Amino acid sequence: EVQLVESGGGLVLPGGSLRLSCAVSGFTFNDHYIDWVRQAPGKGLEWVGRSRNKAKRYTTEYAASVEGRFTMSRDDSKNSLYLQMNSLQSEDTAVYYCVRVLAVTGLYYFDYWGQGTLVTVSS
Amino acid sequence: DIVMTQTPLSSPVTLGQSASISCRSSQSLVYSDGDTYLSWLQQRPGQPPRLLIYKISNRFSGVPDRFSGSGAGTDFTLKISRVEAEDVGVYYCMQNTQFPVTFGGGTKVEIK
Repeated sequence: EVQLVESGGGLVLPGGSLRLSCAVSGFTFNDHYIDWVRQAPGKGLEWVGRSRNKAKRYTTEYAASVEGRFTMSRDDSKNSLYLQMNSLQSEDTAVYYCVRVLAVTGLYYFDYWGQGTLVTVSS
Repeated sequence: DIVMTQTPLSSPVTLGQSASISCRSSQSLVYSDGDTYLSWLQQRPGQPPRLLIYKISNRFSGVPDRFSGSGAGTDFTLKISRVEAEDVGVYYCMQNTQFPVTFGGGTKVEIK
């Protein structure tokens, strides 16, 4: 069974940092892209960033709103993806989802979502 | 960035009737490989989003055939036939043809 489990959310002061984790199971981690998508309370979905697979050398992409502040990394030995978030602002308050991306020839979609972890940036 | 515009914002529907949601993109979603990477997601209350439809009209594994997608280019539609109580939630279109990935604002489906 494919599973993605986020952790690491919590309350942080403006300007502070937090590291989210996404532990995956049920599939070969380094074969897949993993994205982060966030959802502010009562709002819609916003794409945050992408970590590509081993074949694509784990290259990353970020939304303009987080570029330079957020960084993704992977630990294949732990089947985990991390999102290091620095210089956090109130606008970063959201539930953060990690999402598996199926990306093979002719197929490209977000097929499995984690349950999410809530990040609250407030003084 | 490609802007995804969904209508209506809210769709009250009678059980057993149909609901239709429109999604329009600010640019064509046809990728250089000829495919169109437009998906539909369902988010039930208190739950994470779930993939329903990919590449305009392909139902994901386990999705009932009451859900169907259509469209091309910049105009897309999700239709829910014979609406059931479990279909209540917010529906989002999304594109991953071009970075950044973008989502529609969502359409809330509720029972009359």
